[in-house]
Amino acid sequence: KNEVEQSPQNLTAQEGEFITINCSYSVGISALHWLQQHPGGGIVSLFMLSSGKKKHGRLIATINIQEKHSSLHITASHPRDSAVYICAVRALGAQKLVFGQGTRLTINP
Amino acid sequence: KAGVTQTPRYLIKTRGQQVTLSCSPISGHRSVSWYQQTPGQGLQFLFEYFSETQRNKGNFPGRFSGRQFSNSRSEMNVSTLELGDSALYLCASSLVGEGRETQYFGPGTRLLVL
Repeated sequence: KNEVEQSPQNLTAQEGEFITINCSYSVGISALHWLQQHPGGGIVSLFMLSSGKKKHGRLIATINIQEKHSSLHITASHPRDSAVYICAVRALGAQKLVFGQGTRLTINP
Repeated sequence: KAGVTQTPRYLIKTRGQQVTLSCSPISGHRSVSWYQQTPGQGLQFLFEYFSETQRNKGNFPGRFSGRQFSNSRSEMNVSTLELGDSALYLCASSLVGEGRETQYFGPGTRLLVL
């Protein structure tokens, strides 16, 4: 079993829909990252969380440390949000990031 | 500020050859991490350099190595290339690294081994 599991693996939605991507992990962590990767490979760091909730524009990230779970929400989704979203965690005592397999999101106009 | 740059962007090599990839971090960033991304394994951590020292290493064979220069630029080297080394190689820089802060990723080098 992977240390970091994301669901769903693929998600297709219509423009304007509310999107939720989930990330579950099995170890104690000191930080969780959400990344966005567009076709062509470029990766952008969206959020780094260690507790609570963060919001940036239409993106919201939450984390529940006790349940070892994080969610990434996109409100009023747009075709330009189409990308692969990757969750990564830094385990307690570790000095590297471990990545989920990614969620491929497609927003149709 | 200029972003993270990686060279070359694309590379084709044959089995048995060696390859060197370069990464220039954002000015002022001292940590450079390297990652391999393949369709089967996803993103995997290779190693991290901080102030010219390798601070962390992932579970990759010794054919994968790297170094960091005094200006924080980093190189990674893969010797005796295998078909399975075909991947997107990404580097990321940050101020202090170790996944404790936002990382800034380069565009990647896409390596194809024939």
